[in-house]
Amino acid sequence: DTGVSQNPRHKITKRGQNVTFRCDPISEHNRLYWYRQTLGQGPEFLTYFQNEAQLEKSRLLSDRFSAERPKGSFSTLEIQRTEQGDSAMYLCASSEGQGNTEAFFGQGTRLTVV
Amino acid sequence: AQKVTQAQTEISVVEKEDVTLDCVYETRDTTYYLFWYKQPPSGELVFLIRRNSFDEQNEISGRYSWNFQKSTSSFNFTITASQVVDSAVYFCALSELVGSNAGKSTFGDGTTLTVKP
Repeated sequence: DTGVSQNPRHKITKRGQNVTFRCDPISEHNRLYWYRQTLGQGPEFLTYFQNEAQLEKSRLLSDRFSAERPKGSFSTLEIQRTEQGDSAMYLCASSEGQGNTEAFFGQGTRLTVV
Repeated sequence: AQKVTQAQTEISVVEKEDVTLDCVYETRDTTYYLFWYKQPPSGELVFLIRRNSFDEQNEISGRYSWNFQKSTSSFNFTITASQVVDSAVYFCALSELVGSNAGKSTFGDGTTLTVKP
């Protein structure tokens, strides 16, 4: 296993379009996290999964955002009706345990909404 | 609520200088974990160290050392004899184990370190 993989690396979309990102975590990790990072800021928590169960969603995550992790393996993050304010780096991370172990991050998907 | 503050937005040093990155945190929990991550220009956050709230021993790993002080809610990171390859953004993060914030990490806004040759 070579680590957390995210696709695509870059996405440019027109405002109002839907986009979907994929994250493949480290295979034995039961936790999967999505974060959003904008320039000059640290990663902001969006949501996380324990296996296939989505345990928490941040208030940052509007109804236009949805995430899934079918079968507790890969995860997808979909943004519907994108807005310019959605432009950011979307980071996926996975870990063992329950917050007491380090997270391994992917290289992120940079979304630009024009 | 949990919060992490990295007051230093940018630091610039000359190679071989020592540099300390500050991190101050807030939490109501008595059981928590603190982390440091490095984000090089390639963008991928790389884990550096984890500390739990019951272990205040300082740690040294090569040129890196960490000073955890619960009394001041600080978890500072020192790089000794800095090198150009240390140039990156460094993030401090806090993870609580109980309560509404359990399981997820709160990150500071990062410190951009530039090491000049």
